[in-house]
Amino acid sequence: DAGVIQSPRHEVTEMGQEVTLRCKPISGHNSLFWYRQTMMRGLELLIYFNNNVPIDDSGMPEDRFSAKMPNASFSTLKIQPSEPRDSAVYFCASSLVEGLYGYTFGSGTRLTVV
Amino acid sequence: GENVEQHPSTLSVQEGDSAVIKCTYSDSASNYFPWYKQELGKRPQLIIDIRSNVGEKKDQRIAVTLNKTAKHFSLHITETQPEDSAVYFCAASIDTNAGKSTFGDGTTLTVKP
Repeated sequence: DAGVIQSPRHEVTEMGQEVTLRCKPISGHNSLFWYRQTMMRGLELLIYFNNNVPIDDSGMPEDRFSAKMPNASFSTLKIQPSEPRDSAVYFCASSLVEGLYGYTFGSGTRLTVV
Repeated sequence: GENVEQHPSTLSVQEGDSAVIKCTYSDSASNYFPWYKQELGKRPQLIIDIRSNVGEKKDQRIAVTLNKTAKHFSLHITETQPEDSAVYFCAASIDTNAGKSTFGDGTTLTVKP
């Protein structure tokens, strides 16, 4: 398996633009997590899905953020409109829930909003 | 909800020495405790984990111990090498919570050659 695949790896956008981050989890994993990492705030859980259903989105900072998981192999995190304070590394991770296993993280998307 | 505290936030050791990172958790129902290593500019990667029915687990130079009564667990790295330099995160999970882990704030380990 190629692991968790995120795209794009880097994104530079202007304030006010829409940004869409993409994630393909490991086949067979049934939970998917979106995290944001900054020096100031560390690793923040934004939202997570189990069997494609959003379980907890309390970490989503504002209504500008939305996430979807239309099927077991694809998820998106959208920011509209983007702001400079959204600049961070966004990680997607997936795991197999039954029996409890650790996360496999994607390579992350480094987002810069100017 | 679960709260995980991790200490120290930074740790500097001489190559060959041991390093110990400690975490405490608040929810006694937590039953799975993974540790992740994140090298500079890279993704966090699972390095070792322990389940609540085990008190200690070892994998070459790294080991993890768990004290369920005191609700704390620790990562031990022996014979440290410069390539061990990274940020280490502990986490705690409950199997009834869709696999969600609560992470500590991380420990930056620096191994001086």
